[in-house]
Formats: sequence, C-alpha cells, structure tokens
Amino acid sequence: GIQVEQSPPDLILQEGANSTLRCNFSDSVNNLQWFHQNPWGQLINLFYIPSGTKQNGRLSATTVATERYSLLYISSSQTTDSGVYFCAVPPPTDSWGKLQFGAGTQVVVTP
Amino acid sequence: KAGVTQTPRYLIKTRGQQVTLSCSPISGHRSVSWYQQTPGQGLQFLFEYFSETQRNKGNFPGRFSGRQFSNSRSEMNVSTLELGDSALYLCASSPEGFSGTEAFFGQGTRLTVV
Repeated sequence: GIQVEQSPPDLILQEGANSTLRCNFSDSVNNLQWFHQNPWGQLINLFYIPSGTKQNGRLSATTVATERYSLLYISSSQTTDSGVYFCAVPPPTDSWGKLQFGAGTQVVVTP
Repeated sequence: KAGVTQTPRYLIKTRGQQVTLSCSPISGHRSVSWYQQTPGQGLQFLFEYFSETQRNKGNFPGRFSGRQFSNSRSEMNVSTLELGDSALYLCASSPEGFSGTEAFFGQGTRLTVV
C-alpha cells in the first residue's frame, strides 16, 4: 500500500517562531489533506491540497504532486498551534472512503 | 451547517462485552468512514459505508462491524471486547467517498476496555 512519512516526529517551538512540516508519500495521489488534532482528539481540517499552494492565516501548505511531497508552514507560532499535525492521502487502489495517514508531527509551542 | 457528530464521547467497557458507537455525518454527505487511533498503530482505516452498503474494509477482525441507515447515520459495533480495543474511534464523512474529495471528522469516541 501507499506509504506516508512525516517529519520531524517532534517539534518544540518558542512562541513567534516559524516552522516547516514535511509529508512524503510513495505513490501518485489525487488528494492530500492536512489535519490538526486538538487535545480532545478531534481532527480539524487545515488544508485540502492535491497540488499547488494554499494559505489560511498564519498557515500555508504546498503540495508538489510530481515529486510526492507536501509541506505545511506555520508562521508566528502561538501556543494554540500545539498538537499533532497529520497528513493523509487516499491509496491508489481500494480507495473508497479511505485515507492513509502519516504518523504525525507532535508540535509543542512554548510561551 | 452541523459537523460530524459522534456519540458517546467516552465509554468504559469490560473485556468480553460489546459496544456500539454512532456517527451522524454532515447533512448531504452519504459516505461515512471509521478509523481506530491507538498510540502504537496510529490512525487505521476500519471500513466505509455508502448508501447503506459497505464499500471498503480495512484489516480488522470480524469482531468489528458496522452498518449505515437510510439517513446516512452509521454505527459501528465491536463484539467480545479485548483490552487492545481501547482506542479513539473517529468517523469521517464526505459527499461521495471518492478518493479526490475532502473528508471531515467528528470529535471521536474514546473507548476504554478494562
């Protein structure tokens, strides 16, 4: 099946710092989503970004589908940005309703 | 527009019991998927339902089952609970479940098996 690798696994930031999270995937995809898991467990949609670049406030994402990677940028980080960030892609086969998740990047933003 | 609603939020069950979890998708969404999240295995796909039919299934034992009703609400059932079934169970909804469409997740049900 498709492999999804996220790096780094852990990230500690001081408030106000910028950071880049990376997601590599092993096969062609027609969909990629970034999520933020809050402390209560809910997965919050950040970006639906099969290709190109999108921005939402202090967050932006870029997917280069031909090179099989996506980047999530966090600028001017705040303590509320703490949590686990996941990327997820559908597998190339047997994909109905299925997303393959990476292991996540645990982000801690300190005051 | 209401989001994806999962009930209950928390459950504590004893080994050997069975449990039923519920998921109401976003209005108009017909595809509901279920995932299990554990610290050791991460997020793993259980199954997907569309128009009351299971269209896709992950690698879980038959103790894990589900169903979908005509209003697209879905339930998943776990029979003969084991300690290893303790996890956060998340459901996701999307309009049609195609691989190119965006999925939206509920708040999850945290199941503890003792």
